[in-house]
This record gives sequence, structure tokens and C-alpha cells, in this order.
Amino acid sequence: TQLLEQSPQFLSIQEGENLTVYCNSSSVFSSLQWYRQEPGEGPVLLVTVVTGGEVKKLKRLTFQFGDARKDSSLHITAAQPGDTGLYLCAGAMDSNYQLIWGAGTKLIIKP
Amino acid sequence: DAGITQSPRHKVTETGTPVTLRCHQTENHRYMYWYRQDPGHGLRLIHYSYGVKDTDKGEVSDGYSVSRSKTEDFLLTLESATSSQTSVYFCAIGGRDRIYEQYFGPGTRLTVT
Repeated sequence: TQLLEQSPQFLSIQEGENLTVYCNSSSVFSSLQWYRQEPGEGPVLLVTVVTGGEVKKLKRLTFQFGDARKDSSLHITAAQPGDTGLYLCAGAMDSNYQLIWGAGTKLIIKP
Repeated sequence: DAGITQSPRHKVTETGTPVTLRCHQTENHRYMYWYRQDPGHGLRLIHYSYGVKDTDKGEVSDGYSVSRSKTEDFLLTLESATSSQTSVYFCAIGGRDRIYEQYFGPGTRLTVT
């Protein structure tokens, strides 16, 4: 069974703090995506990382793909209430077009 | 934003009745997916399609069937709805160049009483 484990499952912090969300697996992925989902809406793609060791920045969000392409992290600097949502990671393998999904991290940023 | 719509957006139905959910895309993308999302389980793939009349099962396909007679439409049918199928259902399409990048519709909240 291919699994993608996200941690923490839930995180509630104050505005202005930093945080990191992790996505880990024993499987190797050809690419990994991060999505954000707000209540009542579908997930929205934030970023795709494809190269081991790759780092991508999206304003205050930094995404990193592990060297072995088995894990990824999302770091948010100076979190804001607008960052509140469910963050999902999903890994793709060369062998098929299905994604392996993490269970998600529910993030709440308090003003 | 990808042009993906789902209908209906909300539905309440009784146990034992058939239900069909529709996903419509205006992007002409080849790959389409149906997921369900439940607390504690994340997104679970029900069925997917890789072209007109080409479909395959996902990890939770029991009790569900799909059809794709046109590129733009992907239908999900619950043959005889059960309370365990109460969930939020999302349709997604794969990216045109990066098929592993998925774009989601707004979801359908289904309640089976």
C-alpha cells in the first residue's frame, strides 16, 4: 500500500508565527503537489515540485522536495489569517496517472 | 481557473434510490476523476477516465459506476444509495501538459437518509 503521511494533522497558531507541514512516504515520487482547500470549495493547486532537492517559493510559502523524492515540506513564514485552510500533499508516480493523497493538515491562523 | 462545474451542488436522497452526479469541463482535458472526501480519510479516488468511454476503478469503487460519452462530461452514479455514501464528492481534471496536476470542481454535498 502506498501511503503519504502528513503531519501535523491539525495546527492552530497566532498570526505572525512560522510553521512547517511535512509530507512523508517510503515511496519515490516523480512529482509532488501541494494543494490548499477552503471550506465548501475544492482543493486548489499551489505548487508542483519535480526534482529531488528542489525548493520553490510562493510569497511567504516555501516548498521543498526531499533529495530522495520521498518527502516534502511546506514552510509558512509570518502566517496570516488568510493562510487558514486544509493543506493537502499528493504524489505522482510514473506508472500511472493517479495521485497518492495525504490526509491533510488543517491550519488555523488566529488574528 | 479551469472551467469545471458540478451538479447538483447539494442533494438529499433516501436509502435505496439511484443518484447521478454530473461533472462538466470546458477545458477539453483527457483525464477526469471522481473523489469522495470524508473527515479522517482525505480524498479517496472512486473512478477515473482517460478518454471517452475509457474508465477505470479507484480504491473505493464499490457501489459506484461512471460513464463518459463525451469529453466534457463525466457522470457518477450511485446505483442504490446507502448512508455510508453520504459524503462530499469532487470531480477533477488532469492538467493538459502535466496530467498529474489536478484541477477540482466545487464539489457536491450528498446526504443519504
